[in-house]
Amino acid sequence: AQSVTQLGSHVSVSEGALVLLRCNYSSSVPPYLFWYVQYPNQGLQLLLKYTTGATLVKGINGFEAEFKKSETSFHLTKPSAHMSDAAEYFCAVSPGDFNAGNMLTFGGGTRLMVKP
Amino acid sequence: KAGVTQTPRYLIKTRGQQVTLSCSPISGHRSVSWYQQTPGQGLQFLFEYFSETQRNKGNFPGRFSGRQFSNSRSEMNVSTLELGDSALYLCASSLSGGTHNEQFFGPGTRLTVL
Repeated sequence: AQSVTQLGSHVSVSEGALVLLRCNYSSSVPPYLFWYVQYPNQGLQLLLKYTTGATLVKGINGFEAEFKKSETSFHLTKPSAHMSDAAEYFCAVSPGDFNAGNMLTFGGGTRLMVKP
Repeated sequence: KAGVTQTPRYLIKTRGQQVTLSCSPISGHRSVSWYQQTPGQGLQFLFEYFSETQRNKGNFPGRFSGRQFSNSRSEMNVSTLELGDSALYLCASSLSGGTHNEQFFGPGTRLTVL
């Protein structure tokens, strides 16, 4: 069984400040990890993913995340927030098994607010 | 390349009715997954279809069903609607069935049950 916990349902930062969104996962098998962003009235867009290899993953729009197996974490960061980053962010996990199919387990989401 | 399309975008039904939602994946994609998004339960996996076969199913009652056609288009059906079925239903497509593949999400169908 897999689960994802996102600490903080709402995070508020000032424009230009560091963005840190926290994600911890639980998985009985080596996981694949994802961060998605959802803007109002839209579907989800993939920001970045970790499957294997380098544990620091760079994504779109200046976001990156680091897979830390010992801490079972996959926190999302961005050095400098922009007003356009205001959205809801979801961390997700799937079994790292090709035969397991496309089944994502999502965290509860974190709404990021950016103050001018 | 056109993205994932979902029809209709908005739907209002009454309790006890049934509803069918449609999803057209990105051209060439063979896997289609469905998710339910509600404020209380968040994003929950419903089922996944790959090459017209259901590969996985989430923890939802049998009132929720789906199918996939030979052109990879998918439909999901909810029978005997309940108030709690009000949600945003998201469809996602990917090239194949491997979990490492990116899933591309459609804009969703917002279902309101009165």
